[in-house]
Amino acid sequence: GQNIDQPTEMTATEGAIVQINCTYQTSGFNGLFWYQQHAGEAPTFLSYNVLDGLEEKGRFSSFLSRSKGYSYLLLKELQMKDSASYLCAVMDSNYQLIWGAGTKLIIKP
Amino acid sequence: IAGITQAPTSQILAAGRRMTLRCTQDMRHNAMYWYRQDLGLGLRLIHYSNTAGTTGKGEVPDGYSVSRANTDDFPLTLASAVPSQTSVYFCASRGSEADTQYFGPGTRLTVL
Repeated sequence: GQNIDQPTEMTATEGAIVQINCTYQTSGFNGLFWYQQHAGEAPTFLSYNVLDGLEEKGRFSSFLSRSKGYSYLLLKELQMKDSASYLCAVMDSNYQLIWGAGTKLIIKP
Repeated sequence: IAGITQAPTSQILAAGRRMTLRCTQDMRHNAMYWYRQDLGLGLRLIHYSNTAGTTGKGEVPDGYSVSRANTDDFPLTLASAVPSQTSVYFCASRGSEADTQYFGPGTRLTVL
């Protein structure tokens, strides 16, 4: 079967660094996406990895290891506005997205 | 219009009633999707359409139907609503195959 696992909830302190992990087992792989979703809003695209390695985009970075079925999203210099859910999704062989349940990130001052 | 719009924003519906959720995009994207999002379960695909005139079933299609008469519109119909269909519904679209999906603002539906 297809499965995406990520922690349900994480807490971090403003100004710190947090790493949100995602492991996956899917039928085919055409890339891994990270989305951010604030409460009551739609998901918005953060990053896309299709090759192994680190993709950096400002305060956010995303890493992929295809051999391990593993990715993480790294958030640096945390701000209160980063309090949100972070969704990991894998694009399968049919170009459909398989979604994890999301990680709720709580930022404390 | 810019991006994807959904209507209504929210709706309370009596069980057994018929309801159509509307979705329109102006990005000329070929692929469109309907998801439902429930607490603790993440996004689940209901139906999708890879191009105008075609549709397919997702993970949780029962009780829902869709049509794709043109590129821009992708309505979702609940023929006879049941309380278990209480959820937040998101419409999304995608341009090319490996492109990201863009989401509409969502419809919050409550079936009583």
